[in-house]
Amino acid sequence: DAGVIQSPRHEVTEMGQEVTLRCKPISGHDYLFWYRQTMMRGLELLIYFNNNVPIDDSGMPEDRFSAKMPNASFSTLKIQPSEPRDSAVYFCASNRLGGGYTFGSGTRLTVV
Amino acid sequence: EDQVTQSPEALRLQEGESSSLNCSYTVSGLRGLFWYRQDPGKGPEFLFTLYSAGEEKEKERLKATLTKKESFLHITAPKPEDSATYLCAVQARSSASKIIFGSGTRLSIRP
Repeated sequence: DAGVIQSPRHEVTEMGQEVTLRCKPISGHDYLFWYRQTMMRGLELLIYFNNNVPIDDSGMPEDRFSAKMPNASFSTLKIQPSEPRDSAVYFCASNRLGGGYTFGSGTRLTVV
Repeated sequence: EDQVTQSPEALRLQEGESSSLNCSYTVSGLRGLFWYRQDPGKGPEFLFTLYSAGEEKEKERLKATLTKKESFLHITAPKPEDSATYLCAVQARSSASKIIFGSGTRLSIRP
């Protein structure tokens, strides 16, 4: 199993541009999570899905953030427009109910 | 509100010097407590799940224990390759699969 796959690994963009982060979960995992990690705030849960349906998006910081899961093998996190304070490492993780999460390698986003 | 507090923030040990990391938690009905290891530039890697007070789990030089209010990650005779950030997380019974992470302990082992 290739694990949770995220792309791109690094993204540098200018303020105001749209950014799309991508995630492929582990096959058979029915939960998918998006986290953001910064030095100041640690790992913050942004949103999670169960069977492709968003369950809890209370961690999404603003309307500029949106996430979709069109099928069981793909999810996107979009930021539009991006701002410098969005700079962070964004992780995707997946699991089966009751199991430990498997994280991807993350996308390091820098907004200049 | 569910909360996880880890201490210390950072810990430097000499190779072979055993110690413990602490995770205090407040949760409305614990479903599970998780320990993860995170290396620089990588995603967290799952280590253990503990479900009830008194439970213990071991893996190589690591042992995790759980009480009703806290968990400890004991590291015995650590090696430099054990250097990493160790994260604790909790899952409430009411939250399906959602888990809340602590801020982590940065562990550094000097040869």
